Amino acid sequence: EAGVAQSPRYKIIEKRQSVAFWCNPISGHATLYWYQQILGQGPKLLIQFQNNGVVDDSQLPKDRFSAERLKGVDSTLKIQPAKLEDSAVYLCASSPVRRQSSYEQYFGPGTRLTVT
Amino acid sequence: RKEVEQDPGPFNVPEGATVAFNCTYSNSASQSFFWYRQDCRKEPKLLMSVYSSGNEDGRFTAQLNRASQYISLLIRDSKLSDSATYLCVVNRGATNKLIFGTGTLLAVQP
Repeated sequence: EAGVAQSPRYKIIEKRQSVAFWCNPISGHATLYWYQQILGQGPKLLIQFQNNGVVDDSQLPKDRFSAERLKGVDSTLKIQPAKLEDSAVYLCASSPVRRQSSYEQYFGPGTRLTVT
Repeated sequence: RKEVEQDPGPFNVPEGATVAFNCTYSNSASQSFFWYRQDCRKEPKLLMSVYSSGNEDGRFTAQLNRASQYISLLIRDSKLSDSATYLCVVNRGATNKLIFGTGTLLAVQP
C-alpha cells in the first residue's frame, strides 16, 4: 500500500514570499491532517479535513495560512506571506474513518521549509 | 502549561539497559493515548497504543494512570536501533485530534 505522499521535500524562501505544499493521502482515507513541527517540538495540528470539509482549523493562522481539499482527496497548504517563524517541517497525515473514536494517523515524509 | 508534558532528555543508555519515559497530560477529557516514535529527520510512526490495563509489545510496555493523568513507556534490553525520539500523544475525542508532547530523545550507546 502506498503511503502518504508530500512534495516538495525541501523548500527555501525569503520572508514575505509565498509557498505551497501538496499532499496525497493513502487511498481511501477520508481524513487528512496538516501539522507544523518546529525543531525540538512535537507536531502541532494546523487543520483537519474530513472528505472536503474542515473539521478543525482552530490553530491555523488564517491571516497567512490557507488550505484546501477540493475533491476530498489531495490537499494543498499555502503560506502567504511567509515569516521567519514559519521555518518548520510541515507534515501531512491521513486516517480512515472507523466506528471507534480513535485510530492511527499515517504521516508523510514532510516538507522542510526554511524562511530566510 | 503544555497539555502534554514530557522530559525532553536526552537519555543516554548502554545497550541492554532498561529505560523508562514518563508523560503527563492536563486535559481529563482525553480519551485515547499513544506512543509514537520519530527517527531523526523522519516522520512520526505509531509505536503502540496505551490502555488502562497496561499493555506490552515485545520489549515495550506502556502504562496509563487516568487518576494521575500519567503515561509511561518502558523499554527493556535496549538496542541501538531504539535510538529515536519518543512522542507521548493524547487523543482528545471524537474528531481524532492528536496532541503531541515535545518528545523524549533516546540515544542507545554501544
